[in-house]
Amino acid sequence: SQELEQSPQSLIVQEGKNLTINCTSSKTLYGLYWYKQKYGEGLIFLMMLQKGGEEKSHEKITAKLDEKKQQSSLHITASQPSHAGIYLCGADRSGGGADGLTFGKGTHLIIQP
Amino acid sequence: DVKVTQSSRYLVKRTGEKVFLECVQDMDHENMFWYRQDPGLGLRLIYFSYDVKMKEKGDIPEGYSVSREKKERFSLILESASTNQTSMYLCASTPGSSNEQYFGPGTRLTVT
Repeated sequence: SQELEQSPQSLIVQEGKNLTINCTSSKTLYGLYWYKQKYGEGLIFLMMLQKGGEEKSHEKITAKLDEKKQQSSLHITASQPSHAGIYLCGADRSGGGADGLTFGKGTHLIIQP
Repeated sequence: DVKVTQSSRYLVKRTGEKVFLECVQDMDHENMFWYRQDPGLGLRLIYFSYDVKMKEKGDIPEGYSVSREKKERFSLILESASTNQTSMYLCASTPGSSNEQYFGPGTRLTVT
């Protein structure tokens, strides 16, 4: 079965600083999804990557998928308190179809004022 | 916007009770999913459904069953709740062949 390793497990960053979260898969990724979760709440979809080398941005968040499609990174520029929460990467459980996601254990992000 | 709602935010049940967790989505999505989330283990898929009366086992189906009598509603059933089923339960839905999950707010279940 596929495993997703996220690093770091937790991150404390001063407001205004940049940060990067990594997600590494034990197998080739068909689809890689990034979600954000506020503590005790549901997950909010951020971005999905499918093609090797793909990069997507939304506001101050950029996600990349490497050429080999086994690693993704999430980069936040000029962090703000609203960025605090848990970031999770998820991957398609199989090569296609809507059969759910396998998730990493998450990265807890704290923004210090 | 897709809205996925779950019947309770917090639930406390006793060991051995039959527990129903309800999930409703209002965007006519074909696919619905139940996950549980535990510290140190992350989110794990319990069951999912492609269509009414259809169900598929996820990665950890033991101790659970599901029911999908209507397209918009997907229920997770704990036939005899146990303390190791204390967890945060998250429902999600997706349209068509998409795997982009739209999540509900979650139900935090405590079994005592």
